[in-house]
Amino acid sequence: DAGVIQSPRHEVTEMGQEVTLRCKPISGHDYLFWYRQTMMRGLELLIYFNNNVPIDDSGMPEDRFSAKMPNASFSTLKIQPSEPRDSAVYFCASMGPSATDTQYFGPGTRLTVL
Amino acid sequence: AQSVAQPEDQVNVAEGNPLTVKCTYSVSGNPYLFWYVQYPNRGLQFLLKYITGDNLVKGSYGFEAEFNKSQTSFHLKKPSALVSDSALYFCAVRDKAGRRALTFGSGTRLQVQP
Repeated sequence: DAGVIQSPRHEVTEMGQEVTLRCKPISGHDYLFWYRQTMMRGLELLIYFNNNVPIDDSGMPEDRFSAKMPNASFSTLKIQPSEPRDSAVYFCASMGPSATDTQYFGPGTRLTVL
Repeated sequence: AQSVAQPEDQVNVAEGNPLTVKCTYSVSGNPYLFWYVQYPNRGLQFLLKYITGDNLVKGSYGFEAEFNKSQTSFHLKKPSALVSDSALYFCAVRDKAGRRALTFGSGTRLQVQP
């Protein structure tokens, strides 16, 4: 298996622009998570899905952030409009159906908003 | 609410010596505990987890961790450190009965000197 796939790996954009991050989970995993890593706040959950349905979006910073999972093999995290404080590494992770399963992480997308 | 504390920002150890990276946790119920490692510009790699049973858990690359319920700790250990073990280590927790998302500690940078 290729593992969790994220694209792009790096994104540099200007303040006010729309940014879309993409994730393909491991086949057969029905949980998908979006985390954000910053120096100030460490690793924090943004949102997670089960069977394509958002379960907990309490970590989504504000209305500028939105996430979708249109099918079992694809998810997007969109920021519109982007701001410099959104600069971070965004990780996608997936997990199987059992409560004891492990979360496996993608390589991350490093976002820089100028 | 659940939380994880990693009291040391950095741990320095000489190659060949044993290493310990500390982690304490707080959850309302019984915990699932995890250790991940992050190399520069890479995603998080799973090392090991405690679910139930034997308090000593063995994982990848010769790492092990000991679950101590009375001290609410889950310290990561390795008998003989390698220079290639130098990386950022994260402890994470989730409540068995709660949501599937992980709560991470702030991370500990392990530096192994040759």
